Amino acid sequence: GNSVTQMEGPVTLSEEAFLTINCTYTATGYPSLFWYVQYPGEGLQLLLKATKADDKGSNKGFEATYRKETTSFHLEKGSVQVSDSAVYFCALRSRTGANNLFFGTGTRLTVIP
Amino acid sequence: NAGVTQTPKFQVLKTGQSMTLQCAQDMNHNSMYWYRQDPGMGLRLIYYSASEGTTDKGEVPNGYNVSRLNKREFSLRLESAAPSQTSVYFCASSEGGGVSTDTQYFGPGTRLTVL
Repeated sequence: GNSVTQMEGPVTLSEEAFLTINCTYTATGYPSLFWYVQYPGEGLQLLLKATKADDKGSNKGFEATYRKETTSFHLEKGSVQVSDSAVYFCALRSRTGANNLFFGTGTRLTVIP
Repeated sequence: NAGVTQTPKFQVLKTGQSMTLQCAQDMNHNSMYWYRQDPGMGLRLIYYSASEGTTDKGEVPNGYNVSRLNKREFSLRLESAAPSQTSVYFCASSEGGGVSTDTQYFGPGTRLTVL
């Protein structure tokens, strides 16, 4: 079946610290992988995506690389800002069956000045 | 270009009451989805509509019905609300068609409390 496991939170970092949020997946075939971000009181926004092995998605200083050999899609940012405080969700979409997303449980990030 | 819109933003119901959550998108997308978000569980798919005129059950469909009214609108109905349906509900849409680059765009959510 399809499932996503991501790092438990909450994560608290000081401004300008390095961020890693781990995400691993189980899927039939070769899924597309996504990171979504949810700011307080808002819906989910697509942060970045990768659709095949070794692809790197990037946006707003965040990066994640699709690693088929380790079934991982870890999110990284070199220097976080207070404005990055949010909940981050890793998700996959299988190429077979329904077109829906399978989400991890989310990781809450708080960045302190 | 509003993207995906949802109404209402907040709702409180008593057990046994019914209500309909509305969702509309203006991106000419073929596929639409309803998810619920519960603490510690991420988002789970309730129902989806791959294209106008079709609907299918997702992971947690019990207690819900949906209607794909036209290409733009996809509503979610609770016929007899239960406290277990207290959650935040998100609507999403995508181009669909099974292409690898297909991306879902989400509405702002409806926070529902059932007493």
